[in-house]
Amino acid sequence: GEDVEQSLFLSVREGDSSVINCTYTDSSSTYLYWYKQEPGAGLQLLTYIFSNMDMKQDQRLTVLLNKKDKHLSLRIADTQTGDSAIYFCAEGGYQKVTFGIGTKLQVIP
Amino acid sequence: GAVVSQHPSWVICKSGTSVKIECRSLDFQATTMFWYRQFPKQSLMLMATSNEGSKATYEQGVEKDKFLINHASLTLSTLTVTSAHPEDSSFYICSGKLNYGYTFGSGTRLTVV
Repeated sequence: GEDVEQSLFLSVREGDSSVINCTYTDSSSTYLYWYKQEPGAGLQLLTYIFSNMDMKQDQRLTVLLNKKDKHLSLRIADTQTGDSAIYFCAEGGYQKVTFGIGTKLQVIP
Repeated sequence: GAVVSQHPSWVICKSGTSVKIECRSLDFQATTMFWYRQFPKQSLMLMATSNEGSKATYEQGVEKDKFLINHASLTLSTLTVTSAHPEDSSFYICSGKLNYGYTFGSGTRLTVV
């Protein structure tokens, strides 16, 4: 079945760039998503990328998609303490979405 | 790894009827289960948090009498959409809390006609 994998934890210093990686198995995915979850809150959609794109940039966020390797990454430039959260990678289409387990990003002041 | 099995994956129902969505944790005990809904091109919205053996906690604006959540066992949580209307058509997804993260069901696409 479909599977999405991501590392559990990432620690970076404030001001550095963070890169969160994700791999998926379903090559028929239409969309790939990044969600953010702050403590005690629900998931917030950060960005998504269509499967026919290689890159998408939105302010401090850059998403890279390597469809051949089924690898998705989220780069956060100039990471701030407010970026500390859990980040979920997800892939899917209209009918179904598969989530990764979440990467906890810790930003050290 | 820990898996949440969600059924059905899609359902079409008539206005006024009720629909039950099930989420089962297959190889772990889900003390806490979260229920989300998602409208097209929007974020997942947390509807409620259910804890095994107690009443669910609903987010503001979510009608608890319309979206009935039951979490009677450590492996099963259900969401029943009562007297469904077309505006309830959405994507519903559950998530189980693990010690080290979260695991999600595959979602249910509900269409009310």
